[in-house]
Amino acid sequence: GAVVSQHPSRVICKSGTSVKIECRSLDFQATTMFWYRQFPKQSLMLMATSNEGSKATYEQGVEKDKFLINHASLTLSTLTVTSAHPEDSSFYICSAQETDTQYFGPGTRLTVL
Amino acid sequence: DAKTTQPPSMDCAEGRAANLPCNHSTISGNEYVYWYRQIHSQGPQYIIHGLKNNETNEMASLIITEDRKSSTLILPHATLRDTAVYYCIAPRNTGNQFYFGTGTSLTVIP
Repeated sequence: GAVVSQHPSRVICKSGTSVKIECRSLDFQATTMFWYRQFPKQSLMLMATSNEGSKATYEQGVEKDKFLINHASLTLSTLTVTSAHPEDSSFYICSAQETDTQYFGPGTRLTVL
Repeated sequence: DAKTTQPPSMDCAEGRAANLPCNHSTISGNEYVYWYRQIHSQGPQYIIHGLKNNETNEMASLIITEDRKSSTLILPHATLRDTAVYYCIAPRNTGNQFYFGTGTSLTVIP
């Protein structure tokens, strides 16, 4: 149980385009999901907290207009990187909360050319 | 979050127990301690969590000191597949946001 999926697993896009990443809780409902970013050889950095049916809460320094989060259902949250640039290239990971534990997705590798 | 401190790296011989320490001296009474691990280029995997009692599951054991200022994750019989970065986290109760530290890079040696 407690499986979280992400799609796509890997994406390459041109600078200036937008990319959408999906995060799904497959066998449980998640009122709260989280989005993280991880650069090479660094730890995970929390970007935002996504609550079903309400606006996401962004961490300090994360641009909410650049990283659009939608949590329209109890099993799906999406992260859209708008007008992506090479510096947005990173490993994006979501997690979903079940009771008092977070379960993480496998991650999405974004490369912006 | 309570600040957590972990050694940056550890080695363990295959088949032996791996004991990974974590200091969380500022932890408050209602903050749980969580352990996750991350194998290269994958999302973190949940291992175990506890409040003040020792916990055991099919993956590991968690030993929390009586004053709750530190804990130890024990992998009883380490295998090569246990090579990963292990993170100890003590989130604030509200919102349960996780702020990851640098973790411990465990290398299991054949």
